[in-house]
Amino acid sequence: ETGVTQTPRHLVMGMTNKKSLKCEQHLGHNAMYWYKQSAKKPLELMFVYSLEERVENNSVPSRFSPECPNSSHLFLHLHTLQPEDSALYLCASSQAAGRQETQYFGPGTRLLVL
Amino acid sequence: GQQLNQSPQSMFIQEGEDVSMNCTSSSIFNTWLWYKQDPGEGPVLLIALYKAGELTSNGRLTAQFGITRKDSFLNISASIPSDVGIYFCAGLVYNQGGKLIFGQGTELSVKP
Repeated sequence: ETGVTQTPRHLVMGMTNKKSLKCEQHLGHNAMYWYKQSAKKPLELMFVYSLEERVENNSVPSRFSPECPNSSHLFLHLHTLQPEDSALYLCASSQAAGRQETQYFGPGTRLLVL
Repeated sequence: GQQLNQSPQSMFIQEGEDVSMNCTSSSIFNTWLWYKQDPGEGPVLLIALYKAGELTSNGRLTAQFGITRKDSFLNISASIPSDVGIYFCAGLVYNQGGKLIFGQGTELSVKP
């Protein structure tokens, strides 16, 4: 399945670094999402974008900054992260941000903050 | 907040055996989804359920949307080694566009 791609697949960064995660969907969808997956915890929704507008922000710290320049691309800008931010960051997309819309996931970016 | 309780947390079975896992909640969902996640990869959609009572199959997988809209189960018949992975249920929240609530996952191990 290559409908949703994410780069990089792995990232190691220091707490003072600035990096960005990229997600691209090739499915013609209008909604995109960022999730965080930590060990032994359910997936946590971070941000939802519908038609390039942010519609949900689940109390995510400001050191995570999303950007959605168009309906096919989604970025997550990272700065001054903490070691506890180490996790798998997953991007997903759906046709629309509606109550019956199935979400399709990318492979994730494995982030390690030192 | 809304939560999904997924069980069992892990299963160790022999190849060829059938597997059953389920998710329950105190909240109503309009859509239930079942995903499988391999190590280091993102979840891959297995089955989507959109109506209460709906029973849907995908090969050896069968899932049902509970009548009360508060639960769902996934069955895997005649398991094979490549079924190994973590299975997640997820519910789409009623009237909260796009908000998926995930279960904790069921880790499946299959012994050849």
